[in-house]
This record gives sequence, structure tokens and C-alpha cells, in this order.
Amino acid sequence: DIVLTQSPALAVSLGQRATISCRASESVRSSMHWYQQKSGQQPKLLIYGASNLASGVPARFSGSGSGTDFTFTIDPVEADDIATYYCQQSRNDPTFGAGTKLELK
Amino acid sequence: EVKLLESGGGLVQPGGSLRLSCAASGFTFTDFYMSWIRQPPGKAPEWLGVIRNKANGYTTEYNPSVKGRFTISRDNTQNILYLQMNTLRAEDTAIYYCARWDVYYGLWVMDAWGQGASVTVSS
Repeated sequence: DIVLTQSPALAVSLGQRATISCRASESVRSSMHWYQQKSGQQPKLLIYGASNLASGVPARFSGSGSGTDFTFTIDPVEADDIATYYCQQSRNDPTFGAGTKLELK
Repeated sequence: EVKLLESGGGLVQPGGSLRLSCAASGFTFTDFYMSWIRQPPGKAPEWLGVIRNKANGYTTEYNPSVKGRFTISRDNTQNILYLQMNTLRAEDTAIYYCARWDVYYGLWVMDAWGQGASVTVSS
């Protein structure tokens, strides 16, 4: 299995930039996607193919990277963005990172 | 609008069985691969398996962690996806989601998820 490593939590202030990283144990090329999960809800696709915005997702969300190192950015952070963010690869059998919980400072 | 609605969750004793359903609407069901994913309390999602579309013969693949115990099937006349779970264990306790796969620029993406069904395995 491809293991995806994320930092567990990130504290940011409203209006600031939040950057979340995801490292894959082997290359996934550009088959990396990012999901937002709010408490009690299902995951929602935000970014696919490392850097493409899913339909209806605000442009303050963005992603970059390829191979093994990926970054997800929210700029600026709004109150509604408080959630856990997961990276997920589809290069091989799908796996998810452990999630990064975005918290307010 | 794409909609996926899971049902059939509940409390089951260890060693028991349960079948989850996922009713799909808003898209041509037979054109799409479908998956089940579960999420134990406080943990990350785990992909359980996939059932392919009509063009690919509705074949299945499973995560080794559940292969042999869980079976994914689909009723393409009623647009329903199923997950049959047998020999359930406490560690199968989770929220179970169905999801649709689509292809974006040659990349496979789970672009729509249901709201989830809760399964608790306990005596």
C-alpha cells in the first residue's frame, strides 16, 4: 500500500494562509486528491489531480505537487473552513492520509 | 444532481452479518464505477473495494483487509449498490460510505459521496 503522511493539526488565524502537506511513500504522479470533512459530514472533494479545483469549490483553495510531495493551501482562511482535510491517492489501490485538523488560533 | 443515500446500518453482534444499501440517483448508474469506504470513529477513511461499470463487466476488487468477508454488488435495474458484510468484528465498527468514481483528465477520482451509514459491532 502507498502510505500518505500528513501533519496531524494546524492552527491558523482567520484571514491568514493555511498550508497542509502530504507525502507519499512512493510516487503517485499527479493522482493525489484532497477532501474536506466537517464534523458529522461525509468527505467532500476539493482538489483532484493535485492542482485542479473541483466544481463549485472557491478559488481560495488550491493544491500543488507531483510525485511524492504535495501541498494544499487555503488563502485566506474563513471560519467555514474549520474541518479535517485528507489527502488521498488513486495511483494504486486508494489510500488516505491520516488527516490534518485545521483549528483556529 | 448526483445523490447517494446509504441505509441498512445498525448494531450487530460479533460474528453477525449486515447488508448495506446505497441508492443512487442523478446519473446513469451503469456508466460508473462505485466504491465503499469506511471510517472508524476518529480515524481516516479506508477504501474497502470497487465494482466496475457495465463496460467493464461489473467486476470487483477488494482491500485485502476485508477480502473474503465483504462482498460488493449492484442492482442496475434499481440503481442500488450493496455491501454484504459477514463475520463482523468489533474493529468493523465505522461509518460506511458509498462513493462514485469518475475520470477527470485521465485520473480516477471519488467525486461524490453519500452521507454514510453507521455500523456498530458489539455484544
